[in-house]
Parts: sequence; C-alpha cells; structure tokens
Amino acid sequence: DIQMTQSPSTLSASVGDRVTITCRASQNISTWLAWYQHKPGKAPKVLIYKASTLESGVPSRFSGSGSGTEFTLTISSLQPDDFATYYCQQYHTNRGTFGQGTKLEIK
Amino acid sequence: QVQLVQSGAEVKKPGSSVKVSCKASGDSFSTYVLSWVRQAPGQGLEWMGGLIPVFRTPHYAQKFQGRVTITADETTNTLYMDLRSLTSEDTALYYCATGPISVGRSGWYNDWGQGTRVTVSS
Repeated sequence: DIQMTQSPSTLSASVGDRVTITCRASQNISTWLAWYQHKPGKAPKVLIYKASTLESGVPSRFSGSGSGTEFTLTISSLQPDDFATYYCQQYHTNRGTFGQGTKLEIK
Repeated sequence: QVQLVQSGAEVKKPGSSVKVSCKASGDSFSTYVLSWVRQAPGQGLEWMGGLIPVFRTPHYAQKFQGRVTITADETTNTLYMDLRSLTSEDTALYYCATGPISVGRSGWYNDWGQGTRVTVSS
C-alpha cells in the first residue's frame, strides 16, 4: 500500500497565523489526494479533494496544492474553529491510505 | 447527499468476530464508493477497505487482508464490515464513509457515519 507521511505531527499556532501542513506520498499519486479536518467526537470532514479543489461550503482560507509525491494544505488566517487534527488521504489506487495526522494546537 | 447510520456499540472477546452495519439513505446507494475507516484510541485514521456496490468487488488494506470482509446489500442500502480474530488492538471507533465514484480508486469521502465503538476485552 502507498504510504503517506505528514509533517509536522504537531503544530502550535495563534489565531490569525498562516499555517502549512505537508503530506508526502511514497510513490507518484498525481493529484489523487484529499484533506480532512477531524475534531474529537465528530466525524471527519473533507476540506479538499483532487489536491486543490475546495469542497462546497469549506471556507476559502483553506487551500491545497501539489502533485506527484508532495502536497500542502494551507490555512491563510487561522480561526478559533480551525484547531483540530488534519489528515491527508491518497486515493490513487483502490486501496486508500491516510497520513498519520497533524494536530493543530493553540499557541 | 447520503446519510449514513451505523449500528450500535459492541463489546467482544479476543478471538471473536464483529459485524458492523451502515445504512444509507437519501440517494442511490449503488452510485457511490463506500468504505470503512477506523480510529484506535490515541491514533489516527486508518483506511480498512471499501467497495463500489455496482462493481461489487471489495478492496482491502494489506493489513486487514484475510481478516475483514466488506459487503453491501443493495436491497436495503446497507454496508457491512465483518472483522474476525479480534485482538485488543482492534478496539477502535469504526466509521463508514461514502463519496463520489472514482473508477479504480478508493475515492474520497464527503459523508460519514456517526461511528461505532468496538471494544475488545477479555
């Protein structure tokens, strides 16, 4: 199975900061990548699919970029509701895999 | 838009099996990709397997090959996940998830069930 590696594992930031999370694939996955936000006690929520397409209803401060093996999720100006854990997921093959997650904490 | 409602919490003994269900409503069951994702305590999301009902063939993560069976009943719009030979490491919250079909791909997920807690303990 394709391995996905996120960095950093934990990120401390303040409201208003611009933050970037990186996701690397163990092989070329083109742009078959999604990003999710996950909060305790809730189901994951998709933010971005096809590496850079914003899901309907997701604020425009979220953006995704990348192709091949390296991808980024950027939040342009952190809001209080954004503190959560973020996961990338590849769907290049019929076996998906998630990254290990990045916990975004309040500084 | 698809609404997914999962079966209730389970407590199982090591070595036994568990079958979790996920009933879909709101749209045509067959035209979506359906998958199971779990989260063990303190751990991240883990993709277990999935299928597209119209194509019927399930696909599983290598880690679960031979131990998990995913099926779909199109007459009742219900997805099932059967996990065998349970150990304490299978204690987790199990989610079903659905999203647009990408043929030959596992897909991404824009609708999720509420999660089913499975506890494996002697």
